[in-house]
Amino acid sequence: EVQLVESGGGLVQPGGSLRLSCAASGFTFSTYSMNWVRQAPGKGLEWISYISGRSSSIYYTDSVKGRFTISRDNAKSSLFLQMNSLRAEDTAVYYCARDSPSYSYYYMDVWGKGIAVTVSS
Amino acid sequence: EIVLTQSPGTLSLSPGERATLSCRASQSISSSSLVWYQQKPGQAPRLLIYGASSRATGIPDRFSGSGSGTDFTLTISRLEPEDFAVYYCQHYDNSLMYTFGQGTKLEIK
Repeated sequence: EVQLVESGGGLVQPGGSLRLSCAASGFTFSTYSMNWVRQAPGKGLEWISYISGRSSSIYYTDSVKGRFTISRDNAKSSLFLQMNSLRAEDTAVYYCARDSPSYSYYYMDVWGKGIAVTVSS
Repeated sequence: EIVLTQSPGTLSLSPGERATLSCRASQSISSSSLVWYQQKPGQAPRLLIYGASSRATGIPDRFSGSGSGTDFTLTISRLEPEDFAVYYCQHYDNSLMYTFGQGTKLEIK
């Protein structure tokens, strides 16, 4: 079964750091690009970061540039998001999501269940 | 920057009825980059439609997508109780990667 499982969330103070992990199984992880998407309480979806299969291409949305770092360990089928200088507005459920295998279409076809991050003093 | 605007914000219908959800882009986009997701409370989004009109694996044929240019539509031909959820459209471009519409909540009337 294709599966993504996030971990590492929790409560952190403003200015603090947190590292999210996403464990992949059921597919050849290294051949897929991956994404992080977040959803603030009661709000819509926001894409925040992308990493290609070999980590050669990395992108971030403007609001997290310079604060968040995406990475992956293909040997361990794991995706990471290092989050520094956290702000209250980073409070959200964070999802890891697999990128489409197609070069013709662009979508996220497998999602984890999400992990909650709360930034508060 | 391309902005996706979904309408209506909330759609109230009864099971068995037809639902039509709209996603309008602020400028013309490629159909290959337009995607629809369904999200139920407390759950992750689920891929429904990609390439504006192709159903994802396992998606019932009562779900269909159409449109081109700036106007795209998700149609649910005959609503089942499990279809009441929030629906998001999404666009991809090389510079900004993925952007989402604000969502349409489909609720039971």
